[in-house]
Parts: sequence; structure tokens; C-alpha cells
Amino acid sequence: AQTVTQSQPEMSVQEAETVTLSCTYDTSESNYYLFWYKQPPSRQMILVIRQEAYKQQNATENRFSVNFQKAAKSFSLKISDSQLGDTAMYFCAFIKIAGGTSYGKLTFGQGTILTVHP
Amino acid sequence: DTGVSQDPRHKITKRGQNVTFRCDPISEHNRLYWYRQTLGQGPEFLTYFQNEAQLEKSRLLSDRFSAERPKGSFSTLEIQRTEQGDSAMYLCASSLRGKPGQRSRDTEAFFGQGTRLTVV
Repeated sequence: AQTVTQSQPEMSVQEAETVTLSCTYDTSESNYYLFWYKQPPSRQMILVIRQEAYKQQNATENRFSVNFQKAAKSFSLKISDSQLGDTAMYFCAFIKIAGGTSYGKLTFGQGTILTVHP
Repeated sequence: DTGVSQDPRHKITKRGQNVTFRCDPISEHNRLYWYRQTLGQGPEFLTYFQNEAQLEKSRLLSDRFSAERPKGSFSTLEIQRTEQGDSAMYLCASSLRGKPGQRSRDTEAFFGQGTRLTVV
């Protein structure tokens, strides 16, 4: 079974600053994907960024980037130039891959509440 | 709106009553998932369907819970004899299982806004 751990229940950052959210995971699988999802208050969860475990290059999406350390089983999210709209709960998630397709279910961490202050 | 929709958004029920939630996935998506999220926690997997087949059920899904996806389109999640511990947000998500060779096509899940259940 996989586990995902987010050790920071809450984080805060000033607008325009950079913040890093931490995530560690435990798995015996060799093929998997990792995700960061964002859940704004009272709104639906949306995908922020995805990392395929077989890729050594860290994924980036505009102001969002990850630091994927496969050996250490670490997957942190860096948000640059933070904006007020980044205020949300952020979840790290894991999905197992086999035969080129996913096993379906996501395993989520406990979440980190990020507050961006003006 | 072509996103995942869930109905109702909120449900308050008395302990012991049965409740049913509906999820309409994105139309071309063949996979549909149910998760449960309690306050301040991450979503926990309950079950998922590929088309109309229920492929996996979590041990969290007791015999009071049942999910269906007739004809592989919308899905319903029913909770019988509700208990206060069932109070949570119930999230539905859908995704498209890609064809062989399309490695990343089938993993992104799109979520609905959830149904918040309160059992009193």
C-alpha cells in the first residue's frame, strides 16, 4: 500500500514571494505518477501539476514547479510570485501505473492550507 | 458546463435515513471515482468504475454503502441507515482511460464540487 505524507498543516506567504510545500511518499512501486492538486475554499479540486516517476526532469507549469527526488521519495511544490488566488488547500497525490495505464485510485496526503497575504 | 457535476450540493439527514447522491461525469470519460473527505483531511478513495464495471472498492465502503453506474454514464452512491460518522464531503471525479501507448492520457482526474452530507 502507498502512503503520502504532508507534514505542513498550514503555510503562509506574502504576495509575490515564493513558497515551497513538502510531500513525502512511501511505495514499493517503480512506476507511478505524482500530483499536486489545489482545492480553493468551497470550490472543486483542480490539478496543478503532474510528475511522471520515469522522468528525471522536474515538471513545471508557469509559476508552479516541483522538486522530485525519487530516491528520497520526496515531491515538493514551489510556487513562485504567489498570488492571492493561490490561497487554497494543496494536496499531494500518488497513482500507481502498470502496463502504461493507471490503477485508477489516487492516494492523497493530508493537505497543506496555504494562505497568501497581501 | 462540461465539468463533473454532483447533486445535491448539500444534504442534511437524520441518523438512520437513507441518502443517495448523483454524479454526472465529463461525457467522454470512461472512469468514475468516489472519494470521501472529512474536514481538514485529504480525500479517501471509496470506489471506482470503468464504464459500468465497478473495478475496486475500498474497505472503507461498508455494506451500508453501494454505488452503481448503470450504462456507464452517471453514477449514484447510496448510504443506508446513515450514522453520524458518515458526515463528510463526498467527491466524485472522472477521467479518461487512454489507449495503449498513450502513457499519460488516462491519469488526470477531474473533480466535481462534492456533496456535503451532515447526519444529525
